[in-house]
Amino acid sequence: EAQVTQNPRYLITVTGKKLTVTCSQNMNHEYMSWYRQDPGLGLRQIYYSMNVEVTDKGDVPEGYKVSRKEKRNFPLILESPSPNQTSLYFCASSTRTHNEQFFGPGTRLTVL
Amino acid sequence: AQTVTQSQPEMSVQEAETVTLSCTYDTSENNYYLFWYKQPPSRQMILVIRQEAYKQQNATENRFSVNFQKAAKSFSLKISDSQLGDTAMYFCAFMTYNNNDMRFGAGTRLTVKP
Repeated sequence: EAQVTQNPRYLITVTGKKLTVTCSQNMNHEYMSWYRQDPGLGLRQIYYSMNVEVTDKGDVPEGYKVSRKEKRNFPLILESPSPNQTSLYFCASSTRTHNEQFFGPGTRLTVL
Repeated sequence: AQTVTQSQPEMSVQEAETVTLSCTYDTSENNYYLFWYKQPPSRQMILVIRQEAYKQQNATENRFSVNFQKAAKSFSLKISDSQLGDTAMYFCAFMTYNNNDMRFGAGTRLTVKP
């Protein structure tokens, strides 16, 4: 089954404690990206990647890191989380022309 | 900077009727993609329809179709024969060929009433 998986689905943490949200896809898609969703703001792109070892900043990259060492994985790293990073996070993957797209189920992150 | 505007925060429609959700965008680019996504209460994001700016023909997917007006920078979504399962948040989004960064509108909450 074609899918994008994210882990964990829910996470409550404290300010400053490093965390990683994993993202994996099984469709051999070139393009992967991370978004955060906040009420009234829609989705905002954090980082995206066109292929292995190629990553670029999206609209709101501050406070986040990513890596793309393998085509299937695109982890999101928060080195020192802060309360303003409390949000719903989505990972997505697509073909290069974006005619096929899949989103992960979302990760609800709360930073106290 | 590219921006996407959805001017209708909420809309409702009777089951089996037709509804149109509006979206406008701002860009100086000539080559780009436009998308509509559906987010039901389950929070899952689902691609509804995709349009490439160089194509003059409006995209359609079953009951979903778009009215793409490139000069006006408008990209509205029409849902025909609305069903209860169409109740969801709908997001319009934009991506240029050059940058590949995606910009979303704030969303329109659609309720289909029985």
